Amino acid sequence: DIVMTQSPLSLPVTPGESASISCRSSQSLLKSYGHNFLHWYLQRPGQSPQLLIYLGSNRASGVPDRFSGGGSGTDFTLSISRVEAEDVGVYYCMQTLQTPLTFGGGTRVEIK
Amino acid sequence: QVELVESGGGVVQPGRSLRLSCAASGFTFSSYGIHWVRQAPGKGLEWLTYISYDGTIEHYADSVTGRFTTSRDNSKKTVYLQINSLRIEDTGVYFCAKDRDAAMDVDYWGQGTLVSVSS
Repeated sequence: DIVMTQSPLSLPVTPGESASISCRSSQSLLKSYGHNFLHWYLQRPGQSPQLLIYLGSNRASGVPDRFSGGGSGTDFTLSISRVEAEDVGVYYCMQTLQTPLTFGGGTRVEIK
Repeated sequence: QVELVESGGGVVQPGRSLRLSCAASGFTFSSYGIHWVRQAPGKGLEWLTYISYDGTIEHYADSVTGRFTTSRDNSKKTVYLQINSLRIEDTGVYFCAKDRDAAMDVDYWGQGTLVSVSS
């Protein structure tokens, strides 16, 4: 199984500042045609998860451009510029290169 | 708009069975695969199962293989999760979620149904 490791576990941020979350996979998520099968989700308190970034760097519909995804192979980053109060919650990375699909353990973003 | 509504959760004793349902609307149901994902209380997300758009392909997490079965009825726009031999550790919120495309990432999630396994 592919193991997904996120860091940090918790991330206090000041509104207006930037934040970044790391996700590492135990094997490369890059397919031969250039897509990384790595996706990012945000689960706000009391809500279902929502898709933020798919295939490593593509923003999902309706996601503000403050969110960006980068990286390739085994190392990925979710960046949030100009953090807002609505960005609080738990962020998860997920790989869909192979089954069983696996999630990272989550990074809790909170406002300072 | 896309909507996924789970039902069938509740309080159940260990060893019993339960069938969860996921009713879909707002998209061409027969064109998309559906996942089930679980979240234990206060914990992270755990992928459980996937069924392809036509029901011919199923995938399962090792932790549930042999006890969980996913199926779908495209005429009813519904996916099912049959859970047998329930264990305490099966307690959690069960989400169904829709494929975005062939990459198997999920773009829409239901609100979840809570399963509580307790004697």
